[in-house]
Amino acid sequence: DVKVTQSSRYLVKRTGEKVFLECVQDMDHENMFWYRQDPGLGLRLIYFSYDVKMKEKGDIPEGYSVSREKKERFSLILESASTNQTSMYLCASSPTSTSGGNVDTQYFGPGTRLTVL
Amino acid sequence: AQKITQTQPGMFVQEKEAVTLDCTYDTSDPSYGLFWYKQPSSGEMIFLIYQGSYDQQNATEGRYSLNFQKARKSANLVISASQLGDSAMYFCAMRGLNSGYALNFGKGTSLLVTP
Repeated sequence: DVKVTQSSRYLVKRTGEKVFLECVQDMDHENMFWYRQDPGLGLRLIYFSYDVKMKEKGDIPEGYSVSREKKERFSLILESASTNQTSMYLCASSPTSTSGGNVDTQYFGPGTRLTVL
Repeated sequence: AQKITQTQPGMFVQEKEAVTLDCTYDTSDPSYGLFWYKQPSSGEMIFLIYQGSYDQQNATEGRYSLNFQKARKSANLVISASQLGDSAMYFCAMRGLNSGYALNFGKGTSLLVTP
């Protein structure tokens, strides 16, 4: 079974704090993703990584950075947390499909509900 | 651009009955994948089923089946013999093979299974 874990289920931080959200997968997947989920807005991609030390911006990267030093670990960093970053954060991983025409499945972790006061 | 539309914000079904959750999509990518995920109140996004655009047969996984109608650009999820534990949000998602890495999600359908 694919296992994606996130460091915290619930997190409460103060405005201006630096926040680290950690994600670990145990399936040797090349690709890892950070999404945020907000009511009425659905899931939006923040950043993704297709290899160690490689990263690409998603739809809403402002206010966030990421780090991928090891294949199994992808960290999301809020440099200076703000109240508008209160949200549910979901990490996902996927293999790179080797079958022509097939799209790889993304597997999600349990999510981190972050509240910024 | 890709778009996923789920027109049913909420659905009710009685236990042991079947239910269909609607999903339509739009893409210019000739090769793509369609996914359904379940999100219970705990928040975890659980993968249910996958359909590739070139797959000849509709995907099935246990009580879940995907009614894929390519010409109509629809990918409805059918849950047979509903159980109380099926109560959750259900999201349809897609990714084009040539359209980047991210999944595009619909807004979701809230399913409530009643005794």
